[in-house]
Amino acid sequence: EVQLVESGGGLVKPGGSLRLSCAASGFRVTFAWMSWIRQAPGEGLEWVGLIKSRSDGGTTDYAAPVKDRFSISRDDSKNTLYLQIDSLKTEDTAVYYCAVRPSGSWYWGQGTLVTVSS
Amino acid sequence: EIVLTQSPATLSLSPGERATLSCGASQSVTGTYLAWYQQKPGLAPRVLIYDASNRATGIPDRFSGSGSGTDFTLTISRLEPEDFAVYYCQQYGGSPYTFGQGTRLEIK
Repeated sequence: EVQLVESGGGLVKPGGSLRLSCAASGFRVTFAWMSWIRQAPGEGLEWVGLIKSRSDGGTTDYAAPVKDRFSISRDDSKNTLYLQIDSLKTEDTAVYYCAVRPSGSWYWGQGTLVTVSS
Repeated sequence: EIVLTQSPATLSLSPGERATLSCGASQSVTGTYLAWYQQKPGLAPRVLIYDASNRATGIPDRFSGSGSGTDFTLTISRLEPEDFAVYYCQQYGGSPYTFGQGTRLEIK
């Protein structure tokens, strides 16, 4: 059974950094294209970026608003996906979800809340 | 970037009625790679439909998806009380993946 569990969120000051984790089970992250999505309070869903499978080059792609500050990576030995966020802004306050489509349907985690405030 | 526009923004219906939600794309979605999600307050989105017309595991058959190219539809044949929520479409045919702004389905 595919499961995704995000962690690492919390309260951070503007300008700070944070690394979010997404622990996967039921599939190998190295073989999957994985995405991060976020949702600001009271707002809709915003796709943040993805990392391709190793066989497809393992490259990353990001939404234009975040491409200079966000970085996606994975640790195949830990079967975990990461999202590094630098130079945090108040508008980065959101629930961050990881998602994957190993075959067919999509699977999402429960999300982790990041609050950026002084 | 493919822009998805959902309509209507809000849909007011009664239990037992049929709901039709639309998702229009600014350009053709590759491979009918479009999903529909349901979201209730405080919860993660729940996938209903993937690849435009395939129901996800455990989704009741009153939910159905259709469409291709630039026009997609989510139909709920007979609304149950638990179906009142916000619905999003998402295309994943090409990066950047994008979401519609959502349709709020409320009880009339």
